[in-house]
Amino acid sequence: GQQLNQSPQSMFIQEGEDVSMNCTSSSIFNTWLWYKQDPGEGPVLLIALYKAGELTSNGRLTAQFGITRKDSFLNISASIPSDVGIYFCAGPLGGGADGLTFGKGTHLIIQP
Amino acid sequence: NAGVTQTPKFQVLKTGQSMTLQCAQDMNHEYMSWYRQDPGMGLRLIHYSVGAGITDQGEVPNGYNVSRSTTEDFPLRLLSAAPSQTSVYFCASTRGLAGTAGELFFGEGSRLTVL
Repeated sequence: GQQLNQSPQSMFIQEGEDVSMNCTSSSIFNTWLWYKQDPGEGPVLLIALYKAGELTSNGRLTAQFGITRKDSFLNISASIPSDVGIYFCAGPLGGGADGLTFGKGTHLIIQP
Repeated sequence: NAGVTQTPKFQVLKTGQSMTLQCAQDMNHEYMSWYRQDPGMGLRLIHYSVGAGITDQGEVPNGYNVSRSTTEDFPLRLLSAAPSQTSVYFCASTRGLAGTAGELFFGEGSRLTVL
């Protein structure tokens, strides 16, 4: 399947700080998705992007579909303790399989 | 609504044993899928189904079987468990027409250890 490179691998930030993370692919994607996973639970969709250049917000979260269609960015403003978790980018798996390929995740840790 | 329900939540197997992970959804979704998650890795697609009676292979299908006799249920069978199948397994479904569009709803996961 297509590989997604997600960075950073982990982030240690102070409450109230803004967060930025990104995801790149060697292939062009028609869809970019951002999921969050809390400990012991399944991932939950945060934002879905379907058009190159698209900028979409969900509360304090903003995601962008890169113009090249090979990257996407997720920003979190004014982080709070419940933002702790693992954030995954995802896109179509390709190769004829109907499913998603996921990045390895960005582990967000908020220090009080 | 319960959403996507997976059982069991935890299971320990010995090498060579077989077992079935159960997945049920009550949202009338046509598309269902199974992913595995290994430490430091993203989720990888095992098998998927676009409707009752239809299944297909994903990225890592070897060692697993699936069937889809009803819209609600999509069990994952391990025929002869191996230590490499130690992982957390997630079942997911979507209201979308395909597994690459729309929102995937995930279950809480089934943690499997193979000794």
